[in-house]
Amino acid sequence: KQEVTQIPAALSVPEGENLVLNCSFTDSAIYNLQWFRQDPGKGLTSLLLIQSSQREQTSGRLNASLDKSSGRSTLYIAASQPGDSATYLCAVRPVSTGGGNKLTFGTGTQLKVEL
Amino acid sequence: NAGVTQTPKFRVLKTGQSMTLLCAQDMNHEYMYWYRQDPGMGLRLIHYSVGEGTTAKGEVPDGYNVSRLKKQNFLLGLESAAPSQTSVYFCASSRGADTQYFGPGTRLTVL
Repeated sequence: KQEVTQIPAALSVPEGENLVLNCSFTDSAIYNLQWFRQDPGKGLTSLLLIQSSQREQTSGRLNASLDKSSGRSTLYIAASQPGDSATYLCAVRPVSTGGGNKLTFGTGTQLKVEL
Repeated sequence: NAGVTQTPKFRVLKTGQSMTLLCAQDMNHEYMYWYRQDPGMGLRLIHYSVGEGTTAKGEVPDGYNVSRLKKQNFLLGLESAAPSQTSVYFCASSRGADTQYFGPGTRLTVL
């Protein structure tokens, strides 16, 4: 069974710092991996989707990398801002899910960027 | 576009009561999903649908039923609510294997 782990569970950094969030998964047989952002009391917003054949994706100050063979992904946030404060969730789409675009989620990293 | 909307936003039930959560999307997506989110557990898939008139079980389907009578709507029903079903429920939709778009959630408390 696919398991997704995100460490640390919480992280606090000063504004302007570059930071890396980590995601690991136990089964390398995946179609893709996604990073989501969740603000308190809100739904999830997709940030980046990396297909299994890709190594990284970039959007603005965000860069996500994927090392499928080692079961790891990182989300790099450059020049962090207080508005980046949120919970960041990683999710993988395993190959062995049968029908449907079923995702397995990690429990997230709660990020706080302080002034 | 409203995206994915969920009704209601909050609800308190007594044990044994029933209710239906409504999810609607205006993006013409084929796939729709219901998740629950509990502290320390992450999001877990309850049921999903790959098209109008079709539904399938996810990871934690017990105690829930779903229906997809129209492409844009996906209903989640609790026939006899239990305290273990206290959670935040999220609906999502996607165009096939593309990115999933999430609704704002329904916070359900079962007393």
